[in-house]
Amino acid sequence: DTEVTQTPKHLVMGMTNKKSLKCEQHMGHRAMYWYKQKAKKPPELMFVYSYEKLSINESVPSRFSPECPNSSLLNLHLHALQPEDSALYLCASSQGQGAFYEQYFGPGTRLTVT
Amino acid sequence: AQSVSQHNHHVILSEAASLELGCNYSYGGTVNLFWYVQYPGQHLQLLLKYFSGDPLVKGIKGFEAEFIKSKFSFNLRKPSVQWSDTAEYFCAVNAPNSGYSTLTFGKGTMLLVSP
Repeated sequence: DTEVTQTPKHLVMGMTNKKSLKCEQHMGHRAMYWYKQKAKKPPELMFVYSYEKLSINESVPSRFSPECPNSSLLNLHLHALQPEDSALYLCASSQGQGAFYEQYFGPGTRLTVT
Repeated sequence: AQSVSQHNHHVILSEAASLELGCNYSYGGTVNLFWYVQYPGQHLQLLLKYFSGDPLVKGIKGFEAEFIKSKFSFNLRKPSVQWSDTAEYFCAVNAPNSGYSTLTFGKGTMLLVSP
């Protein structure tokens, strides 16, 4: 099973809402990632977890809060988002965090902030 | 920090035409290089990767790429494209000897293959 799953597929939320994105993998990978992809743009790294610990935060605003409850799950909690946060949020995982590990991407959650 | 530039934002080809998508990176040290593809409505998939060794790398679906260190390039090629190759293609790089090795993506090239 080389699949990374993400739920929900689509999410519409208001600026005062609190919602969460979920990512799951069962490949035994120990590194998991959140990326943000705007239309016609490349993915941009937001967070990296390695062995369930946050190892990289690319200066992401605090209205995005990641959580890694266990080695298979990665959540992204959203609160007080802005319309410019509308994007495709991609989760990825790899066997380890090192450069020689291939990242496997999920299909993404398309988020619209109204 | 590393950066990646892809020369063409949009490429339109007819079926059976040959494809070459340009990718240049900017980083002075050792790099790993990747090409990812994103088919319409689907997730990013790895086409091929280069870590070391033979600079001509073969990937899935008949794609190949050549690493030319002196030109800081990693161009993607396919001798004969098919309609099903219509997709967005991203070149990416990471630097294994840097403090942390995160993927940096180019802006992508949208390939449209007409039947």
